[in-house]
Amino acid sequence: DADVTQTPRNRITKTGKRIMLECSQTKGHDRMYWYRQDPGLGLQLIYYSFDVKDINKGEISDGYSVSRQAQAKFSLSLESAIPNQTALYFCATSEPTTSGRQFFGPGTRLTVL
Amino acid sequence: LAKTTQPISMDSYEGQEVNITCSHNNIATNDYITWYQQFPSQGPRFIIQGYKTKVTNEVASLFIPADRKSSTLSLPRVSLSDTAVYYCLVRGSQGNLIFGKGTKLSVKP
Repeated sequence: DADVTQTPRNRITKTGKRIMLECSQTKGHDRMYWYRQDPGLGLQLIYYSFDVKDINKGEISDGYSVSRQAQAKFSLSLESAIPNQTALYFCATSEPTTSGRQFFGPGTRLTVL
Repeated sequence: LAKTTQPISMDSYEGQEVNITCSHNNIATNDYITWYQQFPSQGPRFIIQGYKTKVTNEVASLFIPADRKSSTLSLPRVSLSDTAVYYCLVRGSQGNLIFGKGTKLSVKP
């Protein structure tokens, strides 16, 4: 969905570097999510936020941190990147309904050397 | 914790109907069943969602039996562009969607 944008789209970095991935949305949704996808696997939830003051850990939060700067912006940081964090990262948003349909960004491909 | 089980892969030919069945034995009473489609290096895209019985939209149908322990995604007359990974999801205890490995559908000419 073009309403959810991620920057950068591709990033190559070195072990130990701090990296920030950014997500912006124009859908007006309160709920935002960060997922990680490894090759051939499904998506794993890293962090999620149900509003600006709410941050929650997902399944695999170790080594990651997030910042919800505004309703429309949700950033993911890798404090000290390591090679096994090489993956495709997706941001998503959703409405606060029981059905919880999510809208995904185009993804950021991160390579840690 | 609600989880889903679906076939790892399926093959089909253009013009055929494809049915992908998903098992979700521990689905919670108020959970919806949602299906997403994902092309390589793209974010998942919503296909269809339902709670019970049958739901149909312009791209697919979703059949859910009364016990809601399984669901079947039906794609009518598939084309080569339907080659993708299809995920069946239910909501987890944290309110998030739980992704399995999905079903890789390959449509051949």
